[in-house]
Amino acid sequence: KNQVEQSPQSLIILEGKNCTLQCNYTVSPFSNLRWYKQDTGRGPVSLTIMTFSENTKSNGRYTATLDADTKQSSLHITASQLSDSASYICVVSPRARFQKLVFGTGTRLLVSP
Amino acid sequence: DTEVTQTPKHLVMGMTNKKSLKCEQHMGHRAMYWYKQKAKKPPELMFVYSYEKLSINESVPSRFSPECPNSSLLNLHLHALQPEDSALYLCASSQLRDRANEQYFGPGTRLTVT
Repeated sequence: KNQVEQSPQSLIILEGKNCTLQCNYTVSPFSNLRWYKQDTGRGPVSLTIMTFSENTKSNGRYTATLDADTKQSSLHITASQLSDSASYICVVSPRARFQKLVFGTGTRLLVSP
Repeated sequence: DTEVTQTPKHLVMGMTNKKSLKCEQHMGHRAMYWYKQKAKKPPELMFVYSYEKLSINESVPSRFSPECPNSSLLNLHLHALQPEDSALYLCASSQLRDRANEQYFGPGTRLTVT
């Protein structure tokens, strides 16, 4: 069964600190993995997208890594800001015709002043 | 224009009402999607349109009726909803020929059924 698991479920950090969110998946065959940021009551916004041949990708203070062998990904946030408070969702796309996305349950991050 | 827009932002409706949610994109994407998202849960796929034709219906109750009048517009017609249908409804679009098939999400419509 295609599944995406994320940890931790929730996280509180102080402003300015770094943090790392984890994603493990069992989706096969694999096409790509994305990290989305979703503010409460808003639509998800894409942060990074990686194919199996990419190990790391950065977008400003966000750096995602992918290990296609162990089927693990991480999202590292550097120098956190209050505006980083949101849910971060790991989404894996199988290599299927309409590529139905498999969503993780998300990590809820709260950056505290 | 890399934006998916959705209207209205908020909608409150009674169980006997008929209403519609609208979604629009001008990125030339030929695949459009409706998702339902309950609080603290990931989005659940409802429908997929490909070249304005319904390609996937994830066993959604008939009180939800999608429509794709053209390649830029996607509607979701609502009739006789139940309180448990209250959720955030997200629209997304993607290029069909894009290998990564990255989906761009709209801001959502917050629906409350009373």
